Amino acid sequence: EVQLVESGGGLVQPGGSLRLSCAASGFALSSYWVHWVRQPPGKGLVWVSLISTDGSNTNYADPVKGRFTISRDNAKDTVYLQMNSLSAEDTAVYSCFSDRGWGQGTLVTVSS
Amino acid sequence: QSALTQPASLSGSPGQSITISCTGTSSDVGAYNYVSWCQQRPGKAPKLIIYDVSKRPSGVSNRFSGSKSGNTASLTISGLQAEDEADYYCISYTTSNTAIFGGGTKLTVL
Repeated sequence: EVQLVESGGGLVQPGGSLRLSCAASGFALSSYWVHWVRQPPGKGLVWVSLISTDGSNTNYADPVKGRFTISRDNAKDTVYLQMNSLSAEDTAVYSCFSDRGWGQGTLVTVSS
Repeated sequence: QSALTQPASLSGSPGQSITISCTGTSSDVGAYNYVSWCQQRPGKAPKLIIYDVSKRPSGVSNRFSGSKSGNTASLTISGLQAEDEADYYCISYTTSNTAIFGGGTKLTVL
């Protein structure tokens, strides 16, 4: 079965860090560009970041630029999102997607 | 960059066909054939239903189809079913090497 599975979310204090993972099963994620998106509670989907197949091309939405870093390990069929200097405005369900599908998401809550 | 423009809501009866539009600019929808659509049922994670304007991932019903003309992409759902009631979002790659979502369309099946 083709699946994307996110992990690494949780409760973090303002100013803290988290690393999210997006792992693929049933297909080779290395062949696909991958996007991270987020959805604040009760709101719509917002694009966060993208990475090309070999990791040489990455980009970020303005609100996270300089704080978030996307990377990938194609040997592990996994894409990561390192999130630093988190604030309450980053609270959301984070999910990854590629042309093969969409993950179920992981909740990030930034609160003291 | 402003979100892509989608109708906030649409409704249809079972068996009907409906079309959701997604209007952008020559810097996003009109620039490339990289428009995707996802379906989000209440309380659930999004599900990819269309990518590259008109391609369906494995397992997605052929009742879903996508197209594009100029700066507007469209998602058509034929033979509307109760299970199609959901929020639908378009997303497009842009000339700035980013991506941008539409505001979402709430589809109600009457």
